[in-house]
Amino acid sequence: SQQGEEDPQALSIQEGENATMNCSYKTSINNLQWYRQNSGRGLVHLILIRSNEREKHSGRLRVTLDTSKKSSSLLITASRAADTASYFCARGYNQGGKLIFGQGTELSVKP
Amino acid sequence: KAGVTQTPRYLIKTRGQQVTLSCSPISGHRSVSWYQQTPGQGLQFLFEYFSETQRNKGNFPGRFSGRQFSNSRSEMNVSTLELGDSALYLCASSLGPASLNEQFFGPGTRLTVL
Repeated sequence: SQQGEEDPQALSIQEGENATMNCSYKTSINNLQWYRQNSGRGLVHLILIRSNEREKHSGRLRVTLDTSKKSSSLLITASRAADTASYFCARGYNQGGKLIFGQGTELSVKP
Repeated sequence: KAGVTQTPRYLIKTRGQQVTLSCSPISGHRSVSWYQQTPGQGLQFLFEYFSETQRNKGNFPGRFSGRQFSNSRSEMNVSTLELGDSALYLCASSLGPASLNEQFFGPGTRLTVL
């Protein structure tokens, strides 16, 4: 796509395993944001990582940003069934000042 | 602090009609953004309003319009509805510009066009 890609589109793992989702972008960003959406709670912000940061943590979540490769990863460690949701990355672009979401990754965590 | 609220939650319209959706941001938030979510297209950016001015616009036809009031509440309007407009419309607010700040989303308005 013009904005970049997210992969995989879908991921199915067992409880206790780690899940990794990737997000790429094409032009300069100010920050990259990760969100989770499940049917019960709507879209919820997880982590915002700025272009001058390389890694951020929040509980079992770890986000990395590699500006040289124009990519970011979200790692969920020791996954739980409650982590089953769609995960979206959103790119905060410098040019034009838009926040553009990707297509998302559907994560299914089986008990 | 109350979250982002959207009204109505569900709406059924027929082709050719128009619709107005409303969004009340979190108190103190000056930016309101609108997104269209469909199964095939993910979240598509519609527009962003900041301090009553449209700051950014996505690639949608002119049938889609919006505005923001002095209390930061926002409305979006879709005229001459088409079947393809059936979607979940999400509103999000933030303290400052959307591209620089964490977004808080409302529950959405589910629009069905028959």
